[in-house]
Amino acid sequence: GIQVEQSPPDLILQEGANSTLRCNFSDSVNNLQWFHQNPWGQLINLFYIPSGTKQNGRLSATTVATERYSLLYISSSQTTDSGVYFCAVRPSGGYNKLIFGAGTRLAVHP
Amino acid sequence: NAGVMQNPRHLVRRRGQEARLRCSPMKGHSHVYWYRQLPEEGLKFMVYLQKENIIDESGMPKERFSAEFPKEGPSILRIQQVVRGDSAAYFCASRGGVTEAFFGQGTRLTVV
Repeated sequence: GIQVEQSPPDLILQEGANSTLRCNFSDSVNNLQWFHQNPWGQLINLFYIPSGTKQNGRLSATTVATERYSLLYISSSQTTDSGVYFCAVRPSGGYNKLIFGAGTRLAVHP
Repeated sequence: NAGVMQNPRHLVRRRGQEARLRCSPMKGHSHVYWYRQLPEEGLKFMVYLQKENIIDESGMPKERFSAEFPKEGPSILRIQQVVRGDSAAYFCASRGGVTEAFFGQGTRLTVV
């Protein structure tokens, strides 16, 4: 089955710093989503981005489907950005399950 | 438009009891997924259902676990004769057609 790898596994930032999170996947996909799981366990939709670039405030994401990777950019990080960031993909070829990466655990310190 | 609703939020069961977890998808969504998350781990796929049909149950344990999504009412994940290893957060997600999936707030199951 498809493999989804996220890097780095852990990241510690000072408030105000920028960061880039990466998601590599091993096969073609027709759906890619980024989620933020906050410290209370809630999964929050960040981006639905099977291809192209999107921006939402301090966050932006780019997916290059032909090269099988996606990047999540966090600028001017805040302590509320702490938590785990998950990439999830749905393989091409009919209706399929969302497959999650192992996540990037982010801690932003004041 | 209400989001994906899961209940209960927290569930405590003694070993050997049954656990029933409920998931009401977003209005208009006919696809439901269940995932399990152990502490400090990622989300593991369990089962994918459309109305009245199980599409993919490749992530479901062969015994004690079952899921349904009836024509009327919420999707149910049922765990019979729970064991301590079943303690986890169980998340439900829904989507409509070829669109993004949205998750509920999860049910935290504790087996004592």
